[in-house]
Amino acid sequence: KAGVTQTPRYLIKTRGQQVTLSCSPISGHRSVSWYQQTPGQGLQFLFEYFSETQRNKGNFPGRFSGRQFSNSRSEMNVSTLELGDSALYLCASSFLGESNQPQHFGDGTRLSIL
Amino acid sequence: QQPVQSPQAVILREGEDAVINCSSSKALYSVHWYRQKHGEAPVFLMILLKGGEQKGHDKISASFNEKKQQSSLYLTASQLSYSGTYFCGTEYSTLGRLYFGRGTQLTVWP
Repeated sequence: KAGVTQTPRYLIKTRGQQVTLSCSPISGHRSVSWYQQTPGQGLQFLFEYFSETQRNKGNFPGRFSGRQFSNSRSEMNVSTLELGDSALYLCASSFLGESNQPQHFGDGTRLSIL
Repeated sequence: QQPVQSPQAVILREGEDAVINCSSSKALYSVHWYRQKHGEAPVFLMILLKGGEQKGHDKISASFNEKKQQSSLYLTASQLSYSGTYFCGTEYSTLGRLYFGRGTQLTVWP
């Protein structure tokens, strides 16, 4: 069974640009969550999508947005990039997103802002 | 609502034991444990639901103390492969989001 796939693996952008990251969950998984990981803050929850609807949202500014498609694939968009957005962005999928189900993480997209 | 993990870092020799704690100030519904090696994705270890159950996974086990709102991860007879950063993730409802602790960096030396 293929794991969670995130593309691209690495991205370099400049301040003010926007970026779109992609996540393909494990086949059959309908919940996709996104996290930002930085050395100082650890894993910070961005949002969770289930059946194309945003079900949970973290405390990030509106510049961070996402969506989920009917095949459960998800994209995350960050507009007007800032230096502080440099981080590893991880997505995780689970079957239904319920608390007794594990989340399976992708390898992440490392975003560097110059 | 971010759980507090302790200790922040642990250094062990192969064969030694370690305990990592994860505490919450709010009533927990479940606790998830993950391990992340440098440059890799976090890997799921186990989930504990409220009820105080204990789970095991080879020489790694965990407990959930509902009274204290705390979970502990036990690594016995540690191996070199146990090195990595351990994260606990806490949930406060059945369809809640996971709040992750800042991680505990475990280093096992031969």
